Amino acid sequence: NAGVTQTPKFQVLKTGQSMTLQCAQDMNHNSMYWYRQDPGMGLRLIYYSASEGTTDKGEVPNGYNVSRLNKREFSLRLESAAPSQTSVYFCASKSTSGGTGELFFGEGSRLTVL
Amino acid sequence: GENVEQHPSTLSVQEGDSAVIKCTYSDSASNYFPWYKQELGKGPQLIIDIRSNVGEKKDQRIAVTLNKTAKHFSLHITETQPEDSAVYFCAAIIFGNEKLTFGTGTRLTIIP
Repeated sequence: NAGVTQTPKFQVLKTGQSMTLQCAQDMNHNSMYWYRQDPGMGLRLIYYSASEGTTDKGEVPNGYNVSRLNKREFSLRLESAAPSQTSVYFCASKSTSGGTGELFFGEGSRLTVL
Repeated sequence: GENVEQHPSTLSVQEGDSAVIKCTYSDSASNYFPWYKQELGKGPQLIIDIRSNVGEKKDQRIAVTLNKTAKHFSLHITETQPEDSAVYFCAAIIFGNEKLTFGTGTRLTIIP
């Protein structure tokens, strides 16, 4: 089982460039999430999607957009990258039908903005 | 919204000793408290969780305790081993909601 797959694993951008982080899950989960991890800040929710066709803001949505392309895929887009967006980004998914509440995480995408 | 505080931020213990990580939460409506372990270069993985209708839960060497009155919960690891070295995150949520709030993490180092 692949679980949650994120691409790319590493990316370096210049300020003002744009990019999209891709995420796909093969567990037939309804809910998908994007978190960022920064030293001393823990994991902070950027956006989430409770079901195909819906997206909602999390704690730190500014500077990001998301697309729930289908049930499997949830992408995160940085339209004009800033150094403050240097971080490790994690995608996660969760079953909402009789599930335990467990989040399943990908292995992360490390983004550096110069 | 929910706010979760976690202490300590770093913890070093001798192999075989016990480790305790503590968290407090702010929203008295929260009723589900998971703990995640993150190994180097990996995503976090659930290791144990507890719901507010119980005060303690054990799974082999790890246990979690919950004090609803104090809005406080803790992770206990006994007989620590080198493979326990990792970053641990506590979290809190109203079960069924979407916005899981994490603590800031504890880097646990087991000294051989």
